Amino acid sequence: SQQGEEDPQALSIQEGENATMNCSYKTSINNLQWYRQNSGRGLVHLILIRSNEREKHSGRLRVTLDTSKKSSSLLITASRAADTASYFCATDPGGYQKVTFGTGTKLQVIP
Amino acid sequence: DGGITQSPKYLFRKEGQNVTLSCEQNLNHDAMYWYRQDPGQGLRLIYYSQIVNDFQKGDIAEGYSVSREKKESFPLTVTSAQKNPTAFYLCASTPGAGASEQYFGPGTRLTVT
Repeated sequence: SQQGEEDPQALSIQEGENATMNCSYKTSINNLQWYRQNSGRGLVHLILIRSNEREKHSGRLRVTLDTSKKSSSLLITASRAADTASYFCATDPGGYQKVTFGTGTKLQVIP
Repeated sequence: DGGITQSPKYLFRKEGQNVTLSCEQNLNHDAMYWYRQDPGQGLRLIYYSQIVNDFQKGDIAEGYSVSREKKESFPLTVTSAQKNPTAFYLCASTPGAGASEQYFGPGTRLTVT
């Protein structure tokens, strides 16, 4: 079963613009993670935000978490062509339960 | 270099044949996972193993089998019972069963005709 749903499914922006993608989930979580996948490759972990955190930054990445709305957003600032990839959220219920991945947002950054 | 390796990158098989996908890690991680990814979709969990000689079914285990005889290896066999085996298969690991961040291999694209 898929816990997270990303929105939008696809996003196309110009280089230098900001990209925002959202993730909604259904049940309570211990933490939420964002991963990146280049075409035909494995996923790479980007950032983890715990349920008691509201915002987290890592370089050009900013993640927010609203547990009352069961949603998270990933903001990539000053996008680059190299940011072109699919981005997935993953929810971890904690307690040794399985991490569940969403359906992903496909981001295209046009040079 | 520490990491997860999957081989081969591309695999072609005839319908009705079993095929085994390799996954090896030198990260000394206890837990390992197999996912299936279909075009435009997220990852679906096939099997996972929290410790050597133990594994559990994920959400879509039918038609697949695994073994975990060594800590560093977690091979996946796609059997002829799997109705739609053509997909991208990803292996991942975590330091322990309760650890969140997953480390992924590069994937194996299996095509069955």
